[in-house]
Amino acid sequence: GAVVSQHPSRVICKSGTSVKIECRSLDFQATTMFWYRQFPKKSLMLMATSNEGSKATYEQGVEKDKFLINHASLTLSTLTVTSAHPEDSSFYICSGLLAGVLYNEQFFGPGTRLTVL
Amino acid sequence: GENVEQHPSTLSVQEGDSAVIKCTYSDSASNYFPWYKQELGKRPQLIIDIRSNVGEKKDQRIAVTLNKTAKHFSLHITETQPEDSAVYFCAASLTGANNLFFGTGTRLTVIP
Repeated sequence: GAVVSQHPSRVICKSGTSVKIECRSLDFQATTMFWYRQFPKKSLMLMATSNEGSKATYEQGVEKDKFLINHASLTLSTLTVTSAHPEDSSFYICSGLLAGVLYNEQFFGPGTRLTVL
Repeated sequence: GENVEQHPSTLSVQEGDSAVIKCTYSDSASNYFPWYKQELGKRPQLIIDIRSNVGEKKDQRIAVTLNKTAKHFSLHITETQPEDSAVYFCAASLTGANNLFFGTGTRLTVIP
């Protein structure tokens, strides 16, 4: 299957600072990438849909000014958590949408564990 | 939007037995239903999926059934093995593999 990477895998930051997470599709072009948030022992919650070259579409309840998403190329999307607070601590997972001949499929990154002190 | 419910939240089976996880969805327009396996701290991995034009799909020890009328779909794992232990998520989408709405997950433990 297709491979999606995320960097960093873990990050610890102080409250009030900003953190950038990168999501890369390594062997395919992803015009669409998704960002999810997962709390411990909970499900994945879609935060936003990122389309290359256009503004991201955020799900209801997700602050777009706090979670800045940029999809500047067909293989890279970034999520920046601005002015992070302890409640932003979570596991953030991205996925890239691989367009198939008949069907599309999402391939997930390994996730980034963010801890805000 | 779509609402996906998943049961049970935890499931323990003896090695070799079968495991069944069930999901229901709310939007009758949903047309794509994947199942993901996630090991602790790892990425979700697609294990099987089914589309609304099919009622059942099987891949070796794994099968998925879809009942569109009742709006529910199920994952069946036969001859379970310890390496099947993980959290399993169902999902539903109205737009193919886009915009997946996930169930709450089932922690499966296979006891050797």
